[in-house]
Amino acid sequence: DGGITQSPKYLFRKEGQNVTLSCEQNLNHDAMYWYRQDPGQGLRLIYYSQIVNDFQKGDIAEGYSVSREKMESFPLTVTSAQKNPTAFYLCASSIYEDSGKLFFGSGTQLSVL
Amino acid sequence: GNSVTQMEGPVTLSEEAFLTINCTYTATGYPSLFWYVQYPGEGLQLLLKATKADDKGSNKGFEATYRKETTSFHLEKGSVQVSDSAVYFCALSPGTQGGSEKLVFGKGMKLTVNP
Repeated sequence: DGGITQSPKYLFRKEGQNVTLSCEQNLNHDAMYWYRQDPGQGLRLIYYSQIVNDFQKGDIAEGYSVSREKMESFPLTVTSAQKNPTAFYLCASSIYEDSGKLFFGSGTQLSVL
Repeated sequence: GNSVTQMEGPVTLSEEAFLTINCTYTATGYPSLFWYVQYPGEGLQLLLKATKADDKGSNKGFEATYRKETTSFHLEKGSVQVSDSAVYFCALSPGTQGGSEKLVFGKGMKLTVNP
């Protein structure tokens, strides 16, 4: 079955540590996205990528980094510069021109130790 | 700018009750409108969408009609089930070129349905 897989489901970060969240899709979608979800806040866009080897900042990119070396993969690194990283992180993919029709992974809950 | 306003929750209903979740929007041009649903511990799933005025989106017993005159896209279901317990998000995609990076989400409304 095609889908989008995020791992791990839960992740803990120590002070000063970088952590990487994995996102893989086998839907053959060209576009991939990372969102941050905080309680009662809705979703905020961190980074997105329309094609391989290209990505753009979203609304809250500071303290995060991404790469897109393969169509299937779009990992997100939460760096030590992100001072408030505790949140639920959602990865999504789509056919770029099919605006608004996103397919989401099941999310990673990141917490600070 | 573009924005979406949803009714605040949380809301608790009994099984078989009627559900309405209000959503209004502000946008320039001709946006497309969406409802997404998030079940506990999961990512969001597209529930339904409408791309132009007077369109009605429907899925799994849920309906929403794109009302340009009232800038609304209210979600309704005639008889809710316990399995409908989830967080519901209204979203807007502006009618401009580009992909889903321009998608604007409401804050979400948590629904709990009791047996």
